Amino acid sequence: KAGVTQTPRYLIKTRGQQVTLSCSPISGHRSVSWYQQTPGQGLQFLFEYFSETQRNKGNFPGRFSGRQFSNSRSEMNVSTLELGDSALYLCASSLGRGRDTQYFGPGTRLTVL
Amino acid sequence: AQKVTQAQTEISVVEKEDVTLDCVYETRDTTYYLFWYKQPPSGELVFLIRRNSFDEQNEISGRYSWNFQKSTSSFNFTITASQVVDSAVYFCALSENSNAGGTSYGKLTFGQGTILTVHP
Repeated sequence: KAGVTQTPRYLIKTRGQQVTLSCSPISGHRSVSWYQQTPGQGLQFLFEYFSETQRNKGNFPGRFSGRQFSNSRSEMNVSTLELGDSALYLCASSLGRGRDTQYFGPGTRLTVL
Repeated sequence: AQKVTQAQTEISVVEKEDVTLDCVYETRDTTYYLFWYKQPPSGELVFLIRRNSFDEQNEISGRYSWNFQKSTSSFNFTITASQVVDSAVYFCALSENSNAGGTSYGKLTFGQGTILTVHP
């Protein structure tokens, strides 16, 4: 099976712009979770989608949003970018039950100038 | 709230040495799941092992072994005869029982990670 894919791999944006990141899960996986990784805060949970519904959300401002499509592909959007949004954004897919392992994609490295 | 602590920020060893990475967790749930992931320089998190809170049987897989002790809330990971290719950041993570409600779905709580460097 193909693994989790994320596009694009690298992005450079300026403050105030918005960005959309894409994640394609492993075939058959219906849950997609997003994480932000920074040197200072480590890996932090953003939100999780299952069958096109957001089931859980972390402590991030409303500028961070996401959605999931009927084929389980997911996108996350960050509006009005700030310098502090520079990070590695990782998505992970799973079957969607609490005990299931999450498998991660290679990440999108976002740099905000 | 759940919490995962990896007290070792960085470990440096010489090839063929054994190394143990420590992980201590906090949770109020009685059902939970623990994971170890490896993050090589490429950035992708690679799944290594999953344990549930009811399974305290320790496991050995090749050069890797895991020691889960519920009494001390620890889930340690040992690499035997380390190799240069083991150099990476290792993360311990906790997932609580989704049946507890929406606050648990799809959420892994990670430790800060341990940077392992294996020198030739």
